[in-house]
Amino acid sequence: AQSVAQPEDQVNVAEGNPLTVKCTYSVSGNPYLFWYVQYPNRGLQFLLKYITGDNLVKGSYGFEAEFNKSQTSFHLKKPSALVSDSALYFCAVRDGGNTPLVFGKGTRLSVIA
Amino acid sequence: DAGITQSPRHKVTETGTPVTLRCHQTENHRYMYWYRQDPGHGLRLIHYSYGVKDTDKGEVSDGYSVSRSKTEDFLLTLESATSSQTSVYFCAISDGEFYNEQFFGPGTRLTVL
Repeated sequence: AQSVAQPEDQVNVAEGNPLTVKCTYSVSGNPYLFWYVQYPNRGLQFLLKYITGDNLVKGSYGFEAEFNKSQTSFHLKKPSALVSDSALYFCAVRDGGNTPLVFGKGTRLSVIA
Repeated sequence: DAGITQSPRHKVTETGTPVTLRCHQTENHRYMYWYRQDPGHGLRLIHYSYGVKDTDKGEVSDGYSVSRSKTEDFLLTLESATSSQTSVYFCAISDGEFYNEQFFGPGTRLTVL
């Protein structure tokens, strides 16, 4: 069975500093990994995904994520955080086929001015 | 929100009453999903559909039923609402390709008193 872990419930970072939101996964086959962001009182918005190829994936709003197969991780990163990046971030995985996505419990990012 | 609407957006009901939530899409996507979001649990899959009249259970399906009589509509029914079903419910859609992301609706906040 596939699963996702987001080890940090909350991440605080100063504006302008780099940010990292961690995600590890477990699947039986090849992982297909996704990051979503949720702003208050909104649905989830897709940020980026890893399917195959380059381990560094670039997405919306200046975010990127690095796929590391040996560490089964897919950490979300941004070189310079903005206050407007403050939101709830979800990592999700599927192991191929048409199985539904499995989501982590979410990490709340707070960027402090 | 990618051509997905949910109705109602807010609902307060009493324990024991039936409740139906509606998800409507204009994207003609094959797959539709119902999730619930609760603090500390992230998003959990309730039911999903992979075509008209084709549905399957998710992680937390007890107490919920679904129906899909048209491609564009996916209904979630709580036959007899309980306080434990107080939550925010999200509908999502996808075209079914494993490498493609799911798109989410704006959510329905349900309170069961």
